[in-house]
Amino acid sequence: DVKVTQSSRYLVKRTGEKVFLECVQDMDHENMFWYRQDPGLGLRLIYFSYDVKMKEKGDIPEGYSVSREKKERFSLILESASTNQTSMYLCASSSRRPQHFGDGTRLSIL
Amino acid sequence: GQSLEQPSEVTAVEGAIVQINCTYQTSGFYGLSWYQQHDGGAPTFLSYNALDGLEETGRFSSFLSRSDSYGYLLLQELQMKDSASYFCAVNDAGNNRKLIWGLGTSLAVNP
Repeated sequence: DVKVTQSSRYLVKRTGEKVFLECVQDMDHENMFWYRQDPGLGLRLIYFSYDVKMKEKGDIPEGYSVSREKKERFSLILESASTNQTSMYLCASSSRRPQHFGDGTRLSIL
Repeated sequence: GQSLEQPSEVTAVEGAIVQINCTYQTSGFYGLSWYQQHDGGAPTFLSYNALDGLEETGRFSSFLSRSDSYGYLLLQELQMKDSASYFCAVNDAGNNRKLIWGLGTSLAVNP
Protein backbone atom coordinates (compact mmCIF):
# COMPACT_ATOMS: atom_id res chain seq x y z
CA ASP A 1 0.00 0.00 0.00
CA VAL A 2 1.07 3.55 -0.72
CA LYS A 3 2.03 5.45 2.39
CA VAL A 4 1.99 9.24 2.54
CA THR A 5 3.17 10.53 5.89
CA GLN A 6 2.72 14.05 7.15
CA SER A 7 5.02 15.07 9.96
CA SER A 8 2.37 16.43 12.35
CA ARG A 9 -1.30 15.71 12.89
CA TYR A 10 -1.88 18.91 14.86
CA LEU A 11 0.26 22.02 15.00
CA VAL A 12 -0.14 25.34 16.79
CA LYS A 13 2.02 28.28 15.80
CA ARG A 14 2.08 32.03 16.35
CA THR A 15 1.51 34.82 13.88
CA GLY A 16 4.70 35.76 12.07
CA GLU A 17 6.45 32.43 12.64
CA LYS A 18 7.99 30.50 9.78
CA VAL A 19 6.21 27.15 9.61
CA PHE A 20 7.36 23.97 7.91
CA LEU A 21 4.99 21.14 7.01
CA GLU A 22 6.69 17.96 5.85
CA CYS A 23 5.37 15.18 3.67
CA VAL A 24 7.04 11.91 2.72
CA GLN A 25 5.81 9.23 0.30
CA ASP A 26 7.20 5.74 -0.12
CA MET A 27 6.08 4.80 -3.64
CA ASP A 28 8.56 6.66 -5.84
CA HIS A 29 5.76 8.88 -7.18
CA GLU A 30 6.87 11.75 -9.37
CA ASN A 31 3.92 14.02 -8.51
CA MET A 32 3.32 15.54 -5.09
CA PHE A 33 0.71 18.06 -4.05
CA TRP A 34 -0.17 20.38 -1.17
CA TYR A 35 -3.82 21.29 -0.59
CA ARG A 36 -5.64 23.19 2.06
CA GLN A 37 -9.17 22.25 3.02
CA ASP A 38 -11.61 24.63 4.63
CA PRO A 39 -15.32 24.00 5.35
CA GLY A 40 -17.44 24.64 2.28
CA LEU A 41 -14.44 25.35 0.05
CA GLY A 42 -13.37 21.83 -0.86
CA LEU A 43 -9.75 21.05 -1.64
CA ARG A 44 -7.73 23.95 -2.97
CA LEU A 45 -4.34 23.33 -4.54
CA ILE A 46 -1.51 25.41 -3.11
CA TYR A 47 1.50 24.01 -4.99
CA PHE A 48 2.47 20.84 -6.74
CA SER A 49 5.69 19.27 -7.93
CA TYR A 50 6.21 16.86 -10.80
CA ASP A 51 9.92 16.17 -10.24
CA VAL A 52 12.75 16.94 -7.88
CA LYS A 53 13.36 20.69 -7.68
CA MET A 54 10.40 21.33 -9.99
CA LYS A 55 7.30 23.09 -8.72
CA GLU A 56 4.23 24.83 -10.04
CA LYS A 57 1.83 27.21 -8.37
CA GLY A 58 -1.66 26.01 -7.73
CA ASP A 59 -4.75 28.11 -7.17
CA ILE A 60 -3.77 29.75 -3.87
CA PRO A 61 0.05 30.01 -3.62
CA GLU A 62 0.20 33.41 -1.92
CA GLY A 63 1.94 33.27 1.44
CA TYR A 64 3.36 29.79 0.79
CA SER A 65 6.46 28.28 -0.73
CA VAL A 66 7.57 24.70 -1.28
CA SER A 67 10.72 22.65 -1.46
CA ARG A 68 11.41 19.32 -3.10
CA GLU A 69 15.04 18.37 -2.74
CA LYS A 70 14.42 14.62 -2.80
CA LYS A 71 11.81 12.69 -4.73
CA GLU A 72 10.10 11.28 -1.65
CA ARG A 73 9.82 14.53 0.31
CA PHE A 74 7.76 17.64 -0.35
CA SER A 75 7.76 20.49 2.15
CA LEU A 76 5.29 23.33 2.49
CA ILE A 77 6.58 26.53 4.04
CA LEU A 78 4.54 29.36 5.48
CA GLU A 79 7.01 32.22 5.29
CA SER A 80 5.28 34.38 7.91
CA ALA A 81 2.23 32.65 9.32
CA SER A 82 -1.01 34.57 9.54
CA THR A 83 -4.31 33.72 11.19
CA ASN A 84 -6.02 33.26 7.82
CA GLN A 85 -3.71 30.32 7.20
CA THR A 86 -5.39 28.35 9.98
CA SER A 87 -6.64 25.30 8.10
CA MET A 88 -6.34 21.58 7.39
CA TYR A 89 -3.37 20.90 5.11
CA LEU A 90 -3.33 17.75 3.02
CA CYS A 91 -0.39 16.31 1.12
CA ALA A 92 -0.89 13.88 -1.77
CA SER A 93 1.24 11.96 -4.20
CA SER A 94 0.56 10.22 -7.49
CA SER A 95 2.13 8.54 -10.44
CA ARG A 96 -0.69 8.77 -12.98
CA ARG A 97 -3.71 8.24 -10.77
CA PRO A 98 -5.10 8.10 -8.23
CA GLN A 99 -3.82 10.65 -5.78
CA HIS A 100 -2.91 9.17 -2.40
CA PHE A 101 -3.34 11.42 0.60
CA GLY A 102 -1.69 11.76 3.97
CA ASP A 103 -3.79 12.05 7.13
CA GLY A 104 -3.52 15.84 7.11
CA THR A 105 -2.10 18.47 9.44
CA ARG A 106 -4.56 20.65 11.30
CA LEU A 107 -2.67 23.91 11.67
CA SER A 108 -3.78 26.67 14.00
CA ILE A 109 -2.15 30.09 13.84
CA LEU A 110 -2.72 32.16 16.99
CA GLY B 1 -12.50 27.85 -16.98
CA GLN B 2 -13.12 24.44 -15.55
CA SER B 3 -15.63 23.71 -12.84
CA LEU B 4 -17.64 20.91 -11.28
CA GLU B 5 -21.02 20.97 -9.59
CA GLN B 6 -22.34 18.46 -7.11
CA PRO B 7 -25.03 18.69 -4.43
CA SER B 8 -23.80 19.91 -1.06
CA GLU B 9 -25.79 17.45 1.04
CA VAL B 10 -27.65 14.19 0.62
CA THR B 11 -29.51 12.20 3.27
CA ALA B 12 -30.56 8.56 3.05
CA VAL B 13 -31.43 5.61 5.29
CA GLU B 14 -29.57 2.38 5.89
CA GLY B 15 -30.12 -0.20 3.20
CA ALA B 16 -31.23 2.35 0.62
CA ILE B 17 -29.61 3.40 -2.67
CA VAL B 18 -28.31 6.92 -3.21
CA GLN B 19 -26.99 8.63 -6.30
CA ILE B 20 -24.61 11.61 -6.12
CA ASN B 21 -24.48 13.59 -9.33
CA CYS B 22 -21.61 15.57 -10.75
CA THR B 23 -21.66 17.85 -13.79
CA TYR B 24 -18.50 19.36 -15.14
CA GLN B 25 -17.32 22.05 -17.51
CA THR B 26 -13.87 21.55 -18.93
CA SER B 27 -12.05 22.48 -22.13
CA GLY B 28 -10.55 19.00 -22.42
CA PHE B 29 -11.51 15.79 -20.70
CA TYR B 30 -9.37 12.91 -19.48
CA GLY B 31 -11.52 11.28 -16.85
CA LEU B 32 -13.79 11.66 -13.82
CA SER B 33 -12.68 10.45 -10.40
CA TRP B 34 -14.52 9.97 -7.12
CA TYR B 35 -13.04 10.20 -3.65
CA GLN B 36 -14.48 9.53 -0.21
CA GLN B 37 -13.52 11.44 2.92
CA HIS B 38 -14.71 10.64 6.43
CA ASP B 39 -14.75 13.41 9.01
CA GLY B 40 -11.21 14.06 10.19
CA GLY B 41 -9.78 11.63 7.65
CA ALA B 42 -7.91 11.72 4.38
CA PRO B 43 -9.63 11.54 0.99
CA THR B 44 -9.43 8.04 -0.46
CA PHE B 45 -9.89 7.07 -4.08
CA LEU B 46 -13.09 5.24 -5.03
CA SER B 47 -13.32 5.10 -8.80
CA TYR B 48 -12.27 6.51 -12.15
CA ASN B 49 -14.20 6.71 -15.44
CA ALA B 50 -12.54 7.68 -18.69
CA LEU B 51 -15.11 6.14 -21.02
CA ASP B 52 -18.90 6.28 -21.07
CA GLY B 53 -20.74 3.73 -19.04
CA LEU B 54 -20.95 2.16 -15.64
CA GLU B 55 -18.03 0.90 -13.55
CA GLU B 56 -18.95 -1.32 -10.62
CA THR B 57 -16.87 -2.00 -7.53
CA GLY B 58 -18.81 -3.87 -4.90
CA ARG B 59 -21.59 -1.72 -3.47
CA PHE B 60 -20.31 1.37 -5.28
CA SER B 61 -20.73 2.13 -8.98
CA SER B 62 -19.73 5.14 -11.03
CA PHE B 63 -21.23 6.29 -14.30
CA LEU B 64 -20.02 8.69 -16.97
CA SER B 65 -21.66 10.34 -19.96
CA ARG B 66 -19.10 12.42 -21.80
CA SER B 67 -21.69 13.84 -24.22
CA ASP B 68 -23.65 15.23 -21.25
CA SER B 69 -20.55 16.20 -19.21
CA TYR B 70 -22.14 14.30 -16.37
CA GLY B 71 -21.36 11.51 -14.02
CA TYR B 72 -22.69 9.98 -10.86
CA LEU B 73 -21.66 7.81 -7.97
CA LEU B 74 -24.18 5.17 -6.95
CA LEU B 75 -24.03 3.71 -3.46
CA GLN B 76 -26.14 0.64 -2.82
CA GLU B 77 -27.12 -1.16 0.40
CA LEU B 78 -26.14 1.90 2.36
CA GLN B 79 -24.41 1.39 5.68
CA MET B 80 -23.81 3.86 8.52
CA LYS B 81 -20.11 3.80 7.70
CA ASP B 82 -20.89 5.31 4.29
CA SER B 83 -21.62 8.62 6.02
CA ALA B 84 -18.86 10.78 4.60
CA SER B 85 -18.12 13.49 2.06
CA TYR B 86 -17.82 12.45 -1.58
CA PHE B 87 -15.84 14.48 -4.08
CA CYS B 88 -15.85 14.30 -7.85
CA ALA B 89 -12.76 15.50 -9.71
CA VAL B 90 -11.59 15.83 -13.30
CA ASN B 91 -8.07 16.03 -14.63
CA ASP B 92 -6.99 19.58 -15.40
CA ALA B 93 -7.07 20.03 -19.17
CA GLY B 94 -4.01 22.28 -19.01
CA ASN B 95 -1.95 19.85 -16.95
CA ASN B 96 -3.50 16.46 -16.41
CA ARG B 97 -1.27 15.70 -13.45
CA LYS B 98 -3.56 18.02 -11.49
CA LEU B 99 -7.17 17.49 -10.48
CA ILE B 100 -9.99 20.02 -10.47
CA TRP B 101 -12.24 19.21 -7.54
CA GLY B 102 -15.91 19.62 -6.82
CA LEU B 103 -16.83 21.09 -3.44
CA GLY B 104 -18.02 17.75 -2.12
CA THR B 105 -21.31 16.15 -1.16
CA SER B 106 -21.92 15.37 2.49
CA LEU B 107 -23.83 12.09 2.76
CA ALA B 108 -25.66 11.34 5.99
CA VAL B 109 -26.91 7.77 6.40
CA ASN B 110 -29.57 7.46 9.07
CA PRO B 111 -30.77 4.30 10.82
